[in-house]
Amino acid sequence: NAGVTQTPKFRVLKTGQSMTLLCAQDMNHEYMYWYRQDPGMGLRLIHYSVGEGTTAKGEVPDGYNVSRLKKQNFLLGLESAAPSQTSVYFCASSRRQGGTGELFFGEGSRLTVL
Amino acid sequence: DQQVKQNSPSLSVQEGRISILNCDYTNSMFDYFLWYKKYPAEGPTFLISISSIKDKNEDGRFTVFLNKSAKHLSLHIVPSQPGDSAVYFCAASAGNNNDMRFGAGTRLTVKP
Repeated sequence: NAGVTQTPKFRVLKTGQSMTLLCAQDMNHEYMYWYRQDPGMGLRLIHYSVGEGTTAKGEVPDGYNVSRLKKQNFLLGLESAAPSQTSVYFCASSRRQGGTGELFFGEGSRLTVL
Repeated sequence: DQQVKQNSPSLSVQEGRISILNCDYTNSMFDYFLWYKKYPAEGPTFLISISSIKDKNEDGRFTVFLNKSAKHLSLHIVPSQPGDSAVYFCAASAGNNNDMRFGAGTRLTVKP
């Protein structure tokens, strides 16, 4: 029972480097989300997707890009990493829109930007 | 602006007693509220939810209470068990909005 899988689990980047976080879900969910978790801030929505080929901005989208080329995958990209992007990133999916359906989360990806 | 607030970063209770976790919100448009539980090195998992048309929802040992006039909700765990030790996040959303807002979390420790 894989559910939501995130890769990589850990990554250290230097300022200015780029990277992509991959999220894959095997539950045939329409909706997918990327959150970041920072101490004292809870989880904040970066970007989300309501279906294959669609993306939308969340609460803190600056510095990130996303793509949803396949229904089961949602990619989060950092084109030029900054120390402020040091965080734990969580991907989630849901059957219905996030406001009325529970979210299923991955285990998280810890990113450190030096 | 933090629209969902959990003002207690931590809570410690004895096994068998009641745990009460609190959450306040500022956005009057929120109409759906959820609690998630998170263990270390794992993602959050859904625990219980409540719609704004209700003031109470119960699921086994877990009960969520909603006070709309006070913009306050609470999660009661009775009786508390050591396995309940985790970080609990309160979350809220408005209508069909995909932007679910989370609180900062409360770390619950249940002592044997």
